[in-house]
Amino acid sequence: AQSVTQLDSQVPVFEEAPVELRCNYSSSVSVYLFWYVQYPNQGLQLLLKYLSGSTLVESINGFEAEFNKSQTSFHLRKPSVHISDTAEYFCAVSSPYGGSQGNLIFGKGTKLSVKP
Amino acid sequence: EAGVAQSPRYKIIEKRQSVAFWCNPISGHATLYWYQQILGQGPKLLIQFQNNGVVDDSQLPKDRFSAERLKGVDSTLKIQPAKLEDSAVYLCASSPGTTGELFFGEGSRLTVL
Repeated sequence: AQSVTQLDSQVPVFEEAPVELRCNYSSSVSVYLFWYVQYPNQGLQLLLKYLSGSTLVESINGFEAEFNKSQTSFHLRKPSVHISDTAEYFCAVSSPYGGSQGNLIFGKGTKLSVKP
Repeated sequence: EAGVAQSPRYKIIEKRQSVAFWCNPISGHATLYWYQQILGQGPKLLIQFQNNGVVDDSQLPKDRFSAERLKGVDSTLKIQPAKLEDSAVYLCASSPGTTGELFFGEGSRLTVL
């Protein structure tokens, strides 16, 4: 069985500071890894994904995450956050195998609060 | 391109009553999912459809929850009778493939009193 652990439920930071949201997963097979973001009063949106290839993946708004197989981690980072990054961030994993390949197992989420 | 549409956005019912949620996925997306998100937790898969067939409903409480996908497009999720612990946001998502790139609707928030 797969599981995802997001180590911080809330992360407060000041604007322009760097941030890291931590995610660890457990799986006995290869996985796909994702970060989804949920802005206030909106649905979940895909932020970035790791399917294969380069272990460092980037989003269009400056976030990046690195797949570390030995550490079973997929931490999300941004060197300088903006007020508009305030949202809840969910790490998720799915299996490339079997009939339910698209089923996502989510972590509990991390609320990022960016203060001026 | 229109996103995933869900209705109603909010619903308040008494326990033991019934409720239904509707979802219209993005046009052309063969895969449709219903997730349950309880406050303070991540979304949990209830059921996955591929076209109008069920792929995975292992976590659907079938004694009270039912779902169908009509003609491989729209879907409804029904709860009957509702319990207090069913209070949650019900998220519908669709996907063009099977790699986990899901497009979510805004969700339907259910409060059971």
